Amino acid sequence: AQKITQTQPGMFVQEKEAVTLDCTYDTSDQSYGLFWYKQPSSGEMIFLIYQGSYDEQNATEGRYSLNFQKARKSANLVISASQLGDSAMYFCAMGTAGGTSYGKLTFGQGTILTVHP
Amino acid sequence: GAVVSQHPSWVICKSGTSVKIECRSLDFQATTMFWYRQFPKQSLMLMATSNEGSKATYEQGVEKDKFLINHASLTLSTLTVTSAHPEDSSFYICSAGGTYNEQFFGPGTRLTVL
Repeated sequence: AQKITQTQPGMFVQEKEAVTLDCTYDTSDQSYGLFWYKQPSSGEMIFLIYQGSYDEQNATEGRYSLNFQKARKSANLVISASQLGDSAMYFCAMGTAGGTSYGKLTFGQGTILTVHP
Repeated sequence: GAVVSQHPSWVICKSGTSVKIECRSLDFQATTMFWYRQFPKQSLMLMATSNEGSKATYEQGVEKDKFLINHASLTLSTLTVTSAHPEDSSFYICSAGGTYNEQFFGPGTRLTVL
């Protein structure tokens, strides 16, 4: 079974500063993917970044980067130069590449990020 | 990216009635769609996997007779909450995608049962 753990219920950051949101995972699968989603108060799930288990380089997408440490089973999200619009709930999620779980995502508990001006 | 729509965006119904929520993939075909449920300030919990042309696969603890899923075409899956009760009030979100690393989410449906 897959498990995603986000240990930070809430995080606060000053505008223009960087922030790291923690995510650890547990799986017995060899091939898997790790995702980060942003969910503003409207409820929509906004895809931010993806890291494959066999990717050797950390994924980056604009101000978002994923600090992937496979041996530690961690996939932390780093947001650089925080903006007020970054205030939202952030979810770490895992998907499996094959079998009957194809496409299913397991989500962490989420972290509420608040950016202060 | 691909677009997934949900209808309605929000619905209020009386206890004991049934509510149908539609999930459509607008510009791609999806043989598989997923239905999630989310309570306020909590995580998304997978309810079931909707398979086009066959029965849905439900996660442990999800009542099949309570949450009816129909995936009649490659672009439409429906979730019907039968005999809804206040405890069924939640945010329901569907997702679809072509590959395991590319899931697109609908905007969600907020259900309130009075």
